[in-house]
Amino acid sequence: AQSVTQLDSQVPVFEEAPVELRCNYSSSVSVYLFWYVQYPNQGLQLLLKYLSGSTLVKGINGFEAEFNKSQTSFHLRKPSVHISDTAEYFCAVRGYQKVTFGTGTKLQVIP
Amino acid sequence: DTAVSQTPKYLVTQMGNDKSIKCEQNLGHDTMYWYKQDSKKFLKIMFSYNNKELIINETVPNRFSPKSPDKAHLNLHINSLELGDSAVYFCASSQFTGVGQPQHFGDGTRLSIL
Repeated sequence: AQSVTQLDSQVPVFEEAPVELRCNYSSSVSVYLFWYVQYPNQGLQLLLKYLSGSTLVKGINGFEAEFNKSQTSFHLRKPSVHISDTAEYFCAVRGYQKVTFGTGTKLQVIP
Repeated sequence: DTAVSQTPKYLVTQMGNDKSIKCEQNLGHDTMYWYKQDSKKFLKIMFSYNNKELIINETVPNRFSPKSPDKAHLNLHINSLELGDSAVYFCASSQFTGVGQPQHFGDGTRLSIL
């Protein structure tokens, strides 16, 4: 069984400030971890993924995430957010056949 | 070129009706999915097909029937629509081989039941 917990349902942050969106997972097998972004009225788009190797993963739009096996976390970070980053962010874990998504974190960038 | 396309984008209908949503992907993927996203943005897998074969069926009412005529298409037919079916339905695709493959999503079909 696998599960994903996104601890914050909403994160307001001022423009140009740094942000961290938290994600914790549990799985009984090797995991593959993803962050997706959903802009209003659109589908999900892949931001970045962790499969193996370096625990710091860089994605699109200046986002990065760090895989921490001991803390079973995969937090998403950006050093300086832009208004256009306002969206819903989903953490996901993929096992053998199935992908499980977290409940999403709404990032609201304040001008 | 849209990678995963769903039609229609919006669907407004009355309780008790039957409706279908179509999905096509041109990415050459062998696995396709249907997800339901509720008003709180919670995303739940409904079905998954690999090369036209059903591999995931997540306790979905049998009013929902997926059909995959070929590996590039996965349609969703819903009978006797109920108020609780109102949601956004997303189609997605990926390569099955290699579990690290990400999913590619369509833009969703917004279903509203009156």
